[in-house]
Amino acid sequence: NAGVTQTPKFRVLKTGQSMTLLCAQDMNHEYMYWYRQDPGMGLRLIHYSVGEGTTAKGEVPDGYNVSRLKKQNFLLGLESAAPSQTSVYFCASRPQSYEQYFGPGTRLTVT
Amino acid sequence: GENVEQHPSTLSVQEGDSAVIKCTYSDSASNYFPWYKQELGKRPQLIIDIRSNVGEKKDQRIAVTLNKTAKHFSLHITETQPEDSAVYFCAAIMDTGRRALTFGSGTRLQVQP
Repeated sequence: NAGVTQTPKFRVLKTGQSMTLLCAQDMNHEYMYWYRQDPGMGLRLIHYSVGEGTTAKGEVPDGYNVSRLKKQNFLLGLESAAPSQTSVYFCASRPQSYEQYFGPGTRLTVT
Repeated sequence: GENVEQHPSTLSVQEGDSAVIKCTYSDSASNYFPWYKQELGKRPQLIIDIRSNVGEKKDQRIAVTLNKTAKHFSLHITETQPEDSAVYFCAAIMDTGRRALTFGSGTRLQVQP
């Protein structure tokens, strides 16, 4: 049981490049979330999903897209990276109860 | 939407002293309040949580209190140890809608040996 995993762990992009972050969970959780964490701040919700095939916007969705084609995977895409998207990205999942399980994070730098 | 304010932003205590971190939330519909500990370079780890039908919960040296009327909740750490040094985040969630956590901005706790 690996819990929540994220790929990659680190990435450096140039402005305008695109990439996809992968979140996978093996706990059969319905809910999945993408957060970003900037220095000195709490985690802010980018997008979320309440089930396979569904996605919705969070607090800071601009510049990101997501897809949840399979229940266990939640993908976060950056179509044209900007320096303002330099951050640590955390994925999380949870069952019907409240406790969220976080992935180890992806550190993204956009130059 | 929900807004969670947390203070202080930094807290320094001597080993063995108590530490208290406070949070206020805006949405009276919120009904679940977890606290996370995050060490440098690591993911947030749940340390304690409380639901809105409970006023206080304790787990060894850690306790959380909730005042629904005033819409605030607090984390209490007693007999602090150097390994308690980390950033602590409070959060709140509603039982409806997106059911996603809204986080406070964090408190950096430093326990001086």
